[in-house]
Amino acid sequence: NAGVMQNPRHLVRRRGQEARLRCSPMKGHSHVYWYRQLPEEGLKFMVYLQKENIIDESGMPKERFSAEFPKEGPSILRIQQVVRGDSAAYFCASSQGLSYNEQFFGPGTRLTVL
Amino acid sequence: SQQGEEDPQALSIQEGENATMNCSYKTSINNLQWYRQNSGRGLVHLILIRSNEREKHSGRLRVTLDTSKKSSSLLITASRAADTASYFCATVNQAGTALIFGKGTTLSVSS
Repeated sequence: NAGVMQNPRHLVRRRGQEARLRCSPMKGHSHVYWYRQLPEEGLKFMVYLQKENIIDESGMPKERFSAEFPKEGPSILRIQQVVRGDSAAYFCASSQGLSYNEQFFGPGTRLTVL
Repeated sequence: SQQGEEDPQALSIQEGENATMNCSYKTSINNLQWYRQNSGRGLVHLILIRSNEREKHSGRLRVTLDTSKKSSSLLITASRAADTASYFCATVNQAGTALIFGKGTTLSVSS
């Protein structure tokens, strides 16, 4: 049973480019969460999605960031016109039910903006 | 606002010693979870303790929860070099839609 998969593991972008981060949840999980981790910090919640629905995006910056979880395929976190401050590790997690239960984390995508 | 706050920020011990990390939180909780993160890796779930539980064990891990003090502790007994990692406590936000993490305790176990 494969765990949560994220790709790419490392992504380098120049300022102004777009970054697309992908997350495939564990088999049987329909709840996906995205978190961002800055150096020496804990994880900060960004968005919670179920298939085809954004349930809670209260942690997402208002501009340039978007997320989707289509009926088919992985969840995508998209960052448009990246800036140096977007450099961070982005983690995806999945669960069978709501956050009250254990979340399973992927290995993360490390985004570096030059 | 930050829900979980771990203490200490960093802890260095020798193999075989016990390591204790503390976590304080602010609002009422349904459960509290502990996660481990090895350097450059994702988080691994260690243990979940429900609000009506006071203590829970899993292998060399012992977690306590004091809801009156809004605090929890994680004890790792007979530590090993492989326990070197960052440890985070997490609670669920009021909407039940996300985990809220503290900044973590960085544990270093030397052989």
